Amino acid sequence: DAKTTQPNSMESNEEEPVHLPCNHSTISGTDYIHWYRQLPSQGPEYVIHGLTSNVNNRMASLAIAEDRKSSTLILHRATLRDAAVYYCILRDLSGGGADGLTFGKGTHLIIQP
Amino acid sequence: DTGVSQDPRHKITKRGQNVTFRCDPISEHNRLYWYRQTLGQGPEFLTYFQNEAQLEKSRLLSDRFSAERPKGSFSTLEIQRTEQGDSAMYLCASSLGGGLDTDTQYFGPGTRLTVL
Repeated sequence: DAKTTQPNSMESNEEEPVHLPCNHSTISGTDYIHWYRQLPSQGPEYVIHGLTSNVNNRMASLAIAEDRKSSTLILHRATLRDAAVYYCILRDLSGGGADGLTFGKGTHLIIQP
Repeated sequence: DTGVSQDPRHKITKRGQNVTFRCDPISEHNRLYWYRQTLGQGPEFLTYFQNEAQLEKSRLLSDRFSAERPKGSFSTLEIQRTEQGDSAMYLCASSLGGGLDTDTQYFGPGTRLTVL
């Protein structure tokens, strides 16, 4: 899987939107962009994924740049429960295989009350 | 369904001992994954199963590590002759498998291993 680059940490205030960036300049045409997050003392959990178009779900939105070399995870109204490490991961499932997720260090999101 | 479960949640052992961890995936999930996570790092992929077949094991850290999924349901991860460097969180995940953009992985709470 191709490599991603994320800021080590970000801080935001409760009830404000949060934009978490991810750079993936070497992304291939078959790479999907996945986001997972890991709350303290828990295993990672899936947040959202996309290929080319922007995506929305109940947890977040994913904005993908037109050239696909970067993306942004958007939490529309952060709560204290959103404090976690957020991982941006590229996955190529075109070969039909699954293989494991390649996690980087992620972005540690701190939410201030 | 209660999600992926792992047992034990914590394990303390002495160097040189063998340890075995168990993972119960979500029912009917065909794929099962093992990861290791050390402090301050993201999880590191170790191995995965499609039903009972172990399709990737080259990422296992050494020949002291082995995993099984004998009936395609639960899985075990064994570490023989543990070393202090094996101290970490061991995570299990499962997925249903499917189309190109699916295969969302669901993680268990992990087993924290401390080797003294």
